[in-house]
Amino acid sequence: AQKVTQAQTEISVVEKEDVTLDCVYETRDTTYYLFWYKQPPSGELVFLIRRNSFDEQNEISGRYSWNFQKSTSSFNFTITASQVVDSAVYFCALSEAVLNDYKLSFGAGTTVTVRA
Amino acid sequence: DAGVIQSPRHEVTEMGQEVTLRCKPISGHDYLFWYRQTMMRGLELLIYFNNNVPIDDSGMPEDRFSAKMPNASFSTLKIQPSEPRDSAVYFCASSLKLAGTDTQYFGPGTRLTVL
Repeated sequence: AQKVTQAQTEISVVEKEDVTLDCVYETRDTTYYLFWYKQPPSGELVFLIRRNSFDEQNEISGRYSWNFQKSTSSFNFTITASQVVDSAVYFCALSEAVLNDYKLSFGAGTTVTVRA
Repeated sequence: DAGVIQSPRHEVTEMGQEVTLRCKPISGHDYLFWYRQTMMRGLELLIYFNNNVPIDDSGMPEDRFSAKMPNASFSTLKIQPSEPRDSAVYFCASSLKLAGTDTQYFGPGTRLTVL
C-alpha cells in the first residue's frame, strides 16, 4: 500500500503565482517524521524540511511554507511567488517505525514547472 | 563541509559487465543508505548500513547486487553481471542517526546506463 500519496503528477504555473503541493500519508504510528525534498533538473536531491508528528506548527522559510494537519494526514507545501528556479520535482517522504526500525518512504513526486 | 560524494556521476556499460558505484558519506554520519530511482518505481531503498554494518538489505533486487562498507568513509554498490533493467540513478545518502530521528542527506547520484 502506498504510504505517501502525491496526487498531483505535474503542476505548471506562471512566474509569481503561488503553487501548493499536496501530500497525504498513511501510518499507524504515533511517532513519525515527514520530509520534503527537491530534485532540480540537475538531479540531486535537496533536503527542504523535516517535521515530527508531535509538532503541528506550520513553518515558513522564505517563499516556502508547510501546512501539517494530523487530522487529515496531510503535509502540504506551498511556494509563494514562484520563480523559474523553483522548477523541479518535489518529493514528500514519511519515516515510520517498521519492526523497530525506521525507513523512509517516498511519494511519487510532483513535477513543478514555472514558466517565465 | 563536503556533502555526500558519489562517483562516477555517469556510467555507461554493456550488459554482463561488472559495475561498481562508490560513495563517501558526510564525515561523522553513522548511517549510509543506497537508493535507486527509476521512472517506474520511483525512489527505492536498496540497503542501509549503521556503523559500517549492513542492517537491512531487503531492498536489494537480487543476488547480482552487493554492497559493502569497509570503513566509515567509503561504501560501494556492485552489480555483477549488469543488465539493461538495472539502468537507473543510484543515490547514496547518509544521516547522523537513523532516518526516523534525523535527516538523510543525498549525494548527486550516479546515472547508470546498461546497454
